[in-house]
Amino acid sequence: GAGVSQSPRYKVAKRGQDVALRCDPISGHVSLFWYQQALGQGPEFLTYFQNEAQLDKSGLPSDRFFAERPEGSVSTLKIQRTQQEDSAVYLCASSTLNQGPPFSYNEQFFGPGTRLTVL
Amino acid sequence: KQEVTQIPAALSVPEGENLVLNCSFTDSAIYNLQWFRQDPGKGLTSLLLIQSSQREQTSGRLNASLDKSSGRSTLYIAASQPGDSATYLCAVYTGGFKTIFGAGTRLFVKA
Repeated sequence: GAGVSQSPRYKVAKRGQDVALRCDPISGHVSLFWYQQALGQGPEFLTYFQNEAQLDKSGLPSDRFFAERPEGSVSTLKIQRTQQEDSAVYLCASSTLNQGPPFSYNEQFFGPGTRLTVL
Repeated sequence: KQEVTQIPAALSVPEGENLVLNCSFTDSAIYNLQWFRQDPGKGLTSLLLIQSSQREQTSGRLNASLDKSSGRSTLYIAASQPGDSATYLCAVYTGGFKTIFGAGTRLFVKA
């Protein structure tokens, strides 16, 4: 049982470039989350997937941000036309679902993150 | 809107001291609260998860308590060690699909 993995670990992009960040969740975990973490701050929610369905994308900062999980396992976060303010660590987490009701999810397991620097 | 605050922002203690980290939240209608540690340049490691129906959880030298009515949780670390040095984050889930994190407490345990 490997944990959550993310690639690349570090990414440097020139302003205006597109980037794609990958997340491999723990096998069998239904829930997948993306977070953005600025230096010295806690992670901020970006989007949530339940299997392949993106149920909440309210945290995505702009329409330049796009996430997908087409087969309900691996997920990709894509950022188009990167800006300097996009520089941050992007974290992925996965979990199982609580049987409920009410709907809830269990312990979240995090990957090591991708540190994105936009020059 | 749920807000999570962690006090203090930073803490330095000598090895062997018992310590308490605080987490407060504004909306008491939570489903669960989770404590994490984060080492520099690393992802988050889950420490303890407390469901809304629980009052506390224990793991080794760690004990987390939850008081929903007052909007508070504490993480107690017994007999601190230099290896405990890290940033400790609390996160609350209040429904929907979002988890809200505090900014964390940076702990330094001096040998």
